[in-house]
Amino acid sequence: SQELEQSPQSLIVQEGKNLTINCTSSKTLYGLYWYKQKYGEGLIFLMMLQKGGEEKSHEKITAKLDEKKQQSSLHITASQPSHAGIYLCGSRYNTDKLIFGTGTRLQVFP
Amino acid sequence: EAGVTQFPSHSVIEKGQTVTLRCDPISGHDNLYWYRRVMGKEIKFLLHFVKESKQDESGMPNNRFLAERTGGTYSTLKVQPAELEDSGVYFCASSQTSYEQYFGPGTRLTVT
Repeated sequence: SQELEQSPQSLIVQEGKNLTINCTSSKTLYGLYWYKQKYGEGLIFLMMLQKGGEEKSHEKITAKLDEKKQQSSLHITASQPSHAGIYLCGSRYNTDKLIFGTGTRLQVFP
Repeated sequence: EAGVTQFPSHSVIEKGQTVTLRCDPISGHDNLYWYRRVMGKEIKFLLHFVKESKQDESGMPNNRFLAERTGGTYSTLKVQPAELEDSGVYFCASSQTSYEQYFGPGTRLTVT
């Protein structure tokens, strides 16, 4: 079974719109990572959340962690074409290896 | 500072052949990880080196895969003999601590 489920799997939005991507864990989280992948490129680290209730922002991207619900959300404000790509959540689950979510493919059209 | 580099970026081989992928981590990073994404699936962990030692190789699919990290610098991942199901993108990551892993651009392997 999949430990980290992301929703939606795919998202197409118009430039300027806000959007949210969710990541739900089937077991207790020990930190949550968000990465972005552009086609043909590696994974770009966005942010890491370690504590329940923690919220971090980078430019127009904000991520929150709800440890009780074992969930994290990634919110993009006023989306731009440069935000397009695959967003991945991941967790170490108290190990050194990253377990990744199923991914969310975001397309932003003008 | 140079990031994680991987070579080649793309490899196309026939079933039964051998392929060796290379990863150069960020200088000074003791931790090196291999991951892969096969078609339609999520990215999965393969193994973890700390310097030249294999810390965790629980994700290696079978004995056709051999990873090495001689001298604790670059790492190679050899697939011998390659099978069709080995096709996918192989990512390498490195870190100083366990917390933030920096990923390379990946090697796309196609086995025909």
